[in-house]
Formats: sequence, structure tokens, C-alpha cells
Amino acid sequence: GAVVSQHPSRVICKSGTSVKIECRSLDFQATTMFWYRQFPKQSLMLMATSNEGSKATYEQGVEKDKFLINHASLTLSTLTVTSAHPEDSSFYICSAEQLTGLVGDTQYFGPGTRLTVL
Amino acid sequence: DQQVKQNSPSLSVQEGRISILNCDYTNSMFDYFLWYKKYPAEGPTFLISISSIKDKNEDGRFTVFLNKSAKHLSLHIVPSQPGDSAVYFCAASRTGNQFYFGTGTSLTVIP
Repeated sequence: GAVVSQHPSRVICKSGTSVKIECRSLDFQATTMFWYRQFPKQSLMLMATSNEGSKATYEQGVEKDKFLINHASLTLSTLTVTSAHPEDSSFYICSAEQLTGLVGDTQYFGPGTRLTVL
Repeated sequence: DQQVKQNSPSLSVQEGRISILNCDYTNSMFDYFLWYKKYPAEGPTFLISISSIKDKNEDGRFTVFLNKSAKHLSLHIVPSQPGDSAVYFCAASRTGNQFYFGTGTSLTVIP
């Protein structure tokens, strides 16, 4: 089955530094990838929709200059948290959409990246 | 390899009847399980969770059952309503660690 990987799985960084998280679709091409942030009550908040070769579409309230998204190829999207602060500490989860033409295009989730900003 | 599987990509149910969504997992170390509901163009919203020390958790119309020996969990919605039509994802984790999601089941509740 289709697999989506994220790297790194955990990262600890100092306040003010930037962190890059990679999301890869391993055996299918994903024209669309999604980035989510998981909050303590376990809801996933959609941050942005990333389309290959074009600018990401950010949800309201998400700072595009702070959360830089690059969808460089059909199998790779990256999220860079710039000038990270402790309040950015969270689980970041990506998903990739596989267009199957069947009932409901399938979305595959990555395992998440736990970011801790000291 | 998918550690969490939802083998039914779609399900149709009459309004008022019970909807049963199934999820299987392979890793016996998972100890926390969640169900999410997702509408088109929106992020998934948390529905209900269960830890491995329980075999049932109920919240209103939603009940999650966990069968650890079979590595199987299910979400029951009763009675089903048209507003329940959405894609449902199950997810599993070892508490505090990475999450593994199923591929989703698209539920359609027919009025």
C-alpha cells in the first residue's frame, strides 16, 4: 500500500532556529500534499495545502512567512518552521493525496514529526 | 507498509441505521487509538479515542470498540444522520509517539 514518510520523526531545537520537515510519498506521485498541526486535544488543524510546482495555499491564521512550504516534486514537500519559538512545539503531520478516480480520492498520512522548541 | 488499515474505502447506510466503520492494525505496541472525521477541504476533526486499557468508549452516538487480541477497532454511529457523511480515519500510536493513520472510509448516509 501507499506509504508517506516524514523526516525527522523528532527534533529538538533552540528558540530562534529554523527547522525543516520533509514529507515524502514513497510509491506514488502526489500532486497535492497537506500539512497539519496536532493540538493537545487531538484535533488536526489544516495549516496549508501544497500543490507541486505552485505556491502553497495557507489556511486563515497561518503565517506563510513563518511556515514555509515547498512542494518541489511529485513525491516531496517540505515544511520549514522559521525562527521557531516554544509555542511552535507540536506534532506536525503531512498527508498526500493519491488521485485514484475511485469513490473518494485516497489520502495517506505521514507518521508525524514531534517538534520541541526549547 | 501500512500499520493501520481501513479495508473498506466506502460505506453507504440508511439514515437512522447503524454505521460500522472498521480498522485493523499490525503493531501490538500501539496503546492509543483515535477516530477522525473529515469533510472535503477541511482538516480532520477529532471524534473519539480509546486507550488499550479499555475495550469500549462511548460518546453520544459514537462508540469505539477495541479488540486487542484481533488488533481490530471499530466505530459505531447510531443512529446515523446525513450530516455524518464524511471520510473517517482511524489512527494509532504508542502514547506520545508517532501516529499511524488508516487510509479512510467514506461514509454516505442516505436520507
